[in-house]
This record gives sequence, structure tokens and C-alpha cells, in this order.
Amino acid sequence: KAGVTQTPRYLIKTRGQQVTLSCSPISGHRSVSWYQQTPGQGLQFLFEYFSETQRNKGNFPGRFSGRQFSNSRSEMNVSTLELGDSALYLCASSLMGYYEQYFGPGTRLTVT
Amino acid sequence: KNEVEQSPQNLTAQEGEFITINCSYSVGISALHWLQQHPGGGIVSLFMLSSGKKKHGRLIATINIQEKHSSLHITASHPRDSAVYICAVMRQGGNKLVFGAGTILRVKS
Repeated sequence: KAGVTQTPRYLIKTRGQQVTLSCSPISGHRSVSWYQQTPGQGLQFLFEYFSETQRNKGNFPGRFSGRQFSNSRSEMNVSTLELGDSALYLCASSLMGYYEQYFGPGTRLTVT
Repeated sequence: KNEVEQSPQNLTAQEGEFITINCSYSVGISALHWLQQHPGGGIVSLFMLSSGKKKHGRLIATINIQEKHSSLHITASHPRDSAVYICAVMRQGGNKLVFGAGTILRVKS
């Protein structure tokens, strides 16, 4: 079974721009969660989608948004990028959300 | 105070040593996860447990729900075990993970 894939793996953007990251879950998994990892804050939960609906949201500003498609693939979008958004963005898929989570390799975003 | 606390923050061991990493949490949980992260960022889920003990190869994870405490043990440690080990809890009634700060483990040969 193919693992969780994320694209792109690396991204450099300029402050003020917007970015879209993509996550393809393991086949059959219906839950996709997104996490941000920074040296200062560690790993933090962004949001979770299940069957195209956002079920949970972390404490991030509205510039961070996401969606899930009918094939369970998910995208997250960050608008009006700030320097502090530089981070590793990880997605994880799970059968139902409260089962074991399988992580993708992450997208490393650098904002200059 | 963070909801999930790990100790130690850093750990250096000699190859072959028995290693213990601890995790304490302050909220009611439905499950606790132990994760491993190697340089480069990829995260691997080692264990998900809600009670008792699990073993996989040289790794053992235990949890005491009453004391809100979990431990990850590595027997006969090896340099390839060098990584960051992260404890994360799934709050009761929720579907989001809350993470500890991680333990940086270095095993020297």
C-alpha cells in the first residue's frame, strides 16, 4: 500500500504571497490531519478533515485554511504569508481520525 | 504548563544501553502515541496505546492511565535509534493530537 504523499516537498515563497500544499492519504483512509512544526513551538495541530468536512481546528489564524476532496485528498492554503509561517507542514492520514495516524514526509516552507 | 511533558529533553547513550523516555500528561485521553522523527523530518508512528504495554522488536511502550504517565523503553540501543522521540495524546472526545516537546536521543557507538 502506498504511503502518505505530500507535494511539494520544498517551497520558497515571499512574504505576502499565498501557498497551497497537497496531501494524498493512504488508500481507504478518510481522515486527514495537518500539523505545523517549528523549532520554537514544536508540533501543533492545524485542522482535521473527515469525509470532506472539517471536524477539528487548532488555534491558528484564519489565513490558514484547508479542504478535502471526495477522494480524501486534502489541500491546505496559507494566505498573506508571514516570516513566522516558515515551518515543516506535515499531514497524517487515518482510517477514522482516532485510529493510528500515518504521517507524510512533510513540506518544508520557507518564507523570505 | 504544557498538557504533555516529556523527559529528558536530551539523552546521550552508549550503544547497547537500556533507554527510558518518560511522558506525563494532564488531560483525559483516549490514546497516547509515541512517534519517531529522524533528521529530514519524516515521522513514524511507533505505538498507539490506551492501556497496558506494547512491544515491537527492541521497543516497549507502557502506559499508566491512573497516573497519567507513559514510558518508552529501548533495549540494546543502537546508533540507528538516534532520533527525536515525541509523545502525543489524543484528548478524550476529540480527534486532534497534542504533542510533547520531544526527546533528542543520540546513541554513540
